[in-house]
Amino acid sequence: AQRVTQPEKLLSVFKGAPVELKCNYSYSGSPELFWYVQYSRQRLQLLLRHISRESIKGFTADLNKGETSFHLKKPFAQEEDSAMYYCALHANTGNQFYFGTGTSLTVIP
Amino acid sequence: GAGVSQSPSNKVTEKGKDVELRCDPISGHTALYWYRQSLGQGLEFLIYFQGNSAPDKSGLPSDRFSAERTGGSVSTLTIQRTQQEDSAVYLCASSSKVRRYTEAFFGQGTRLTVV
Repeated sequence: AQRVTQPEKLLSVFKGAPVELKCNYSYSGSPELFWYVQYSRQRLQLLLRHISRESIKGFTADLNKGETSFHLKKPFAQEEDSAMYYCALHANTGNQFYFGTGTSLTVIP
Repeated sequence: GAGVSQSPSNKVTEKGKDVELRCDPISGHTALYWYRQSLGQGLEFLIYFQGNSAPDKSGLPSDRFSAERTGGSVSTLTIQRTQQEDSAVYLCASSSKVRRYTEAFFGQGTRLTVV
């Protein structure tokens, strides 16, 4: 069963415009949700986790249990935000991470 | 080590040959994952190890693919009789269940090219 869905494979926005990367999940328990980012020629790294309720590099993500979503948002996109973004769910039972297929974000100067 | 280490960084092999890819997880991490990332594509789950439990092999694309994790630490992903469609970046990640804030840490990947 697909646990994490990222409906957009590619997303382009202009510099300074708001950006939202969508993520929906399917999990019966209490999920831990994450966003990971992969910049060009760098390894995949954690961007933020819902449990910390943090803002990293201007990005935020709110867990909406009613809509089973964890969309990533930034009010003003920057060129350096261009990267591949992956939404991930950690299942407490079994301790397994499930990753979405990723969204490639391009910020147009 | 300080992070997840994968070797080799790059591997070029001839079609039909076998290859072995190695992953050294972070010391003490009980969970280890292998993923594949094809050109322009996202992450494709291959296999998951958790402690001494039977691995989740549901993502392996064919019986040419296999993986082992010896002593709960180092893992080797083996691809037999490689095909051109096996060309991709193979990523390894590890995570720990102990910490309050769990996180998956990724290696830099092995870029496999089958010619």
